[in-house]
Amino acid sequence: KQEVTQIPAALSVPEGENLVLNCSFTDSAIYNLQWFRQDPGKGLTSLLLIQSSQREQTSGRLNASLDKSSGRSTLYIAASQPGDSATYLCAVSPLYNFNKFYFGSGTKLNVKP
Amino acid sequence: DTAVSQTPKYLVTQMGNDKSIKCEQNLGHDTMYWYKQDSKKFLKIMFSYNNKELIINETVPNRFSPKSPDKAHLNLHINSLELGDSAVYFCASSLKQGGMNTEAFFGQGTRLTVV
Repeated sequence: KQEVTQIPAALSVPEGENLVLNCSFTDSAIYNLQWFRQDPGKGLTSLLLIQSSQREQTSGRLNASLDKSSGRSTLYIAASQPGDSATYLCAVSPLYNFNKFYFGSGTKLNVKP
Repeated sequence: DTAVSQTPKYLVTQMGNDKSIKCEQNLGHDTMYWYKQDSKKFLKIMFSYNNKELIINETVPNRFSPKSPDKAHLNLHINSLELGDSAVYFCASSLKQGGMNTEAFFGQGTRLTVV
């Protein structure tokens, strides 16, 4: 069974810093990996989707990389802003059942002004 | 314009009651899901429907019964509610079953509290 781990569980940084969030998964037979952000009391907002054949995806200040063989993905946030404060979740879908996402427990990010 | 909408946003009810949560998506997606987020913030899939057909049914008590009247709607009915059912329930949808179209879009969640 796929297990997804996110480290660190919480992160506090001053505004303007570049930061990296980590996601690891135990089964490399994945279909894709998706990064989400969740604001308190809100739903999930999709940030980036990486197909298993891709190495990275970029959107604005966000860059997500995927190393399928080592079971790792990173989310890089450049020039962090207080508005980036949220919980970031990664989710992987198995190759054999791509309609199912396995989620990590998230990294709670606080960007201080 | 809300892409995936759930009602109600909050639901407080007594043990033993039966309740329903409704979900609608206006994205024209074929696939819809129900996820449960527990107190430790872990999200776990419960059900998935593709074009009104059940394709994923995780180990969920049969007190939980999804219903998809059409591909834009996936409702969740829960019988005989228990304290352990308290959680946030998220509905989601994706365009199709494969490729980039599996990007999932989530509703704002329904916080269910059973007292």
